[in-house]
Amino acid sequence: DVKVTQSSRYLVKRTGEKVFLECVQDMDHENMFWYRQDPGLGLRLIYFSYDVKMKEKGDIPEGYSVSREKKERFSLILESASTNQTSMYLCASSLPSTGTLGEQYFGPGTRLTVT
Amino acid sequence: GNSVTQMEGPVTLSEEAFLTINCTYTATGYPSLFWYVQYPGEGLQLLLKATKADDKGSNKGFEATYRKETTSFHLEKGSVQVSDSAVYFCALKSEKLVFGKGTKLTVNP
Repeated sequence: DVKVTQSSRYLVKRTGEKVFLECVQDMDHENMFWYRQDPGLGLRLIYFSYDVKMKEKGDIPEGYSVSREKKERFSLILESASTNQTSMYLCASSLPSTGTLGEQYFGPGTRLTVT
Repeated sequence: GNSVTQMEGPVTLSEEAFLTINCTYTATGYPSLFWYVQYPGEGLQLLLKATKADDKGSNKGFEATYRKETTSFHLEKGSVQVSDSAVYFCALKSEKLVFGKGTKLTVNP
C-alpha cells in the first residue's frame, strides 16, 4: 500500500516563526502536492511538484514556499507564520497523470495552530 | 475554469437510510471524476472513480455514475452505517485535481 506520512499531527507555533511541514511518501511517486483544508472552503492547492527540485504554484501560494531535494520528500515552509495560516495541511502524492489517472494518495494531515 | 459543486451539509441520517450526495461539475474536455472520503482525524482516501461518460464507480456499497448530459456524479448508498460517518469530497481531474467543498455525513444508530 502507498504510504504518505507527515511529520506532525498537531503543531502550535507563534506568529512570525518559520515553520517546516514535512511529507514523505514511500511509493516512488513523481508528483507531490500540498493542500490546506478549511471549513466551508474544501481543499485548496498551495504548491505542487512534478519532479525533484521542481515546483509549481497552486491556487494560494502566498506566504508559503516549498522544497523538494529528494523524490520522496516534499517540505512546506511558512516563512513567517501568521494567524490566518492556522489550518489543516494535507500532503498528497501520485504517479504521473498517464498512470493511474493521477489518483492522489493523502497523508493524515497536520493541524497547525498559529497563536 | 474547472469547478465542482456539491450539496452543502451537514447531512444527518439514521442507520440503514438511503444516501444521496449531489455533485455537479463544470469542465472543458472530458475529466475523470472521483469521490474521496475523510474519516474523523484522517487524511482523504479515494472512495471511487469514473473516467468516461456512463461509467459507474463503486466501492464499499457506494456508487456514482458519470453523467455527461447532466454534468453530474452523484454519490449514492442504499443503506448507510454508523461507520460511514465522514466528510465526502467530489473531485474532477483535468490538468489538476479540483475538489468540491465537502459534505459532512453523520449516521446515527
